[in-house]
Amino acid sequence: AQSVAQPEDQVNVAEGNPLTVKCTYSVSGNPYLFWYVQYPNRGLQFLLKYITGDNLVKGSYGFEAEFNKSQTSFHLKKPSALVSDSALYFCAVRAFNTNAGKSTFGDGTTLTVKP
Amino acid sequence: SQTIHQWPATLVQPVGSPLSLECTVEGTSNPNLYWYRQAAGRGLQLLFYSVGIGQISSEVPQNLSASRPQDRQFILSSKKLLLSDSGFYLCAARTGPSTDTQYFGPGTRLTVL
Repeated sequence: AQSVAQPEDQVNVAEGNPLTVKCTYSVSGNPYLFWYVQYPNRGLQFLLKYITGDNLVKGSYGFEAEFNKSQTSFHLKKPSALVSDSALYFCAVRAFNTNAGKSTFGDGTTLTVKP
Repeated sequence: SQTIHQWPATLVQPVGSPLSLECTVEGTSNPNLYWYRQAAGRGLQLLFYSVGIGQISSEVPQNLSASRPQDRQFILSSKKLLLSDSGFYLCAARTGPSTDTQYFGPGTRLTVL
């Protein structure tokens, strides 16, 4: 079985400050990890993924995430937050050999960046 | 790159009426396709997935069904809607192990009254 936890329902940061959205996972074997962003009444947009290789992954819009195997975490980060980053963020995981590529998504974290 | 279309964008239906939501994918072939439901703007619940034409797997027992009549077409249906079927329905496509990423359509907002 695979699972994802996003321990914070809400993250508030001031514009220009660094932001972190937390994600921990549980999976058998090597994980594939993903971050998505969702704006109101829109579909999910892919931000970045970790499959293998460098633990620090860079993605769209200046976001990055660090894979930490020992802590089973994949936290999303950005050095300087923008008001336009305010949205709902989802972490997802799947094992490398999951049937049909099914991913398990976290419950989401609402990021609010205040001017 | 692939593009995922969903329609309609919004739908208001009475309880007991039928439902048909359509998802089509452009720019790729033989994708894995998925239907999710998102309630109250939070987590995603996987409803159905398909690895090929006519191949449908259901993740949860429910009032809905899915079909895949063509390689890049995925349909979500119901014979009689329930109030609890209200939600935001998302279609996603995954195009093989080399990309190994699910991409999502814009979603359909369904309100059952």
